[in-house]
Amino acid sequence: NAGVTQTPKFRVLKTGQSMTLLCAQDMNHEYMYWYRQDPGMGLRLIHYSVGEGTTAKGEVPDGYNVSRLKKQNFLLGLESAAPSQTSVYFCASSYNRGETQYFGPGTRLLVL
Amino acid sequence: AQSVAQPEDQVNVAEGNPLTVKCTYSVSGNPYLFWYVQYPNRGLQFLLKYITGDNLVKGSYGFEAEFNKSQTSFHLKKPSALVSDSALYFCAVRPPGANNLFFGTGTRLTVIP
Repeated sequence: NAGVTQTPKFRVLKTGQSMTLLCAQDMNHEYMYWYRQDPGMGLRLIHYSVGEGTTAKGEVPDGYNVSRLKKQNFLLGLESAAPSQTSVYFCASSYNRGETQYFGPGTRLLVL
Repeated sequence: AQSVAQPEDQVNVAEGNPLTVKCTYSVSGNPYLFWYVQYPNRGLQFLLKYITGDNLVKGSYGFEAEFNKSQTSFHLKKPSALVSDSALYFCAVRPPGANNLFFGTGTRLTVIP
């Protein structure tokens, strides 16, 4: 039982490049979330999903897109990376909205 | 608007002494409240949560938290700190009806041997 996994662990991009971060969970959770963590700002929600085929915007959605084609996977895309998107990205999942969220190990992204 | 405040960026405590990490919230209604811990280069780990019932909630690794509705606080406590408790601690709140959590900015706890 791997819990929540994220790939890649670390990535360096140049401004304007695109990439996709993959989150996978094996707990059959309905809800999945993408957060970014920046120093002194805690975690801020980018997008989330309440079930397969659904997505919704969080606090800081601009510059990101997401897809939830399979229940166990939640993809975060950056179409045209900017230095302001340099951050650590965390995926999380929960059984429902009131339940505990379980976090992945994070993806460290550096945009030059 | 809902918010969570962790007024201390850094808390230092001697090993064996009691520790407190503070959290206050500003949310309408009765929120769910959570504490998470983050060790270096790791994801967040769940410690405990308050939904309803007893105001004192016990969690993992000997931590507990006290919900105080009148003061809108949810402080994290441990009777005797360990060096291994040194980490970054986050308080989070789920407002009634919300699908997601709102996190505080984190408090770095350092336990001094």
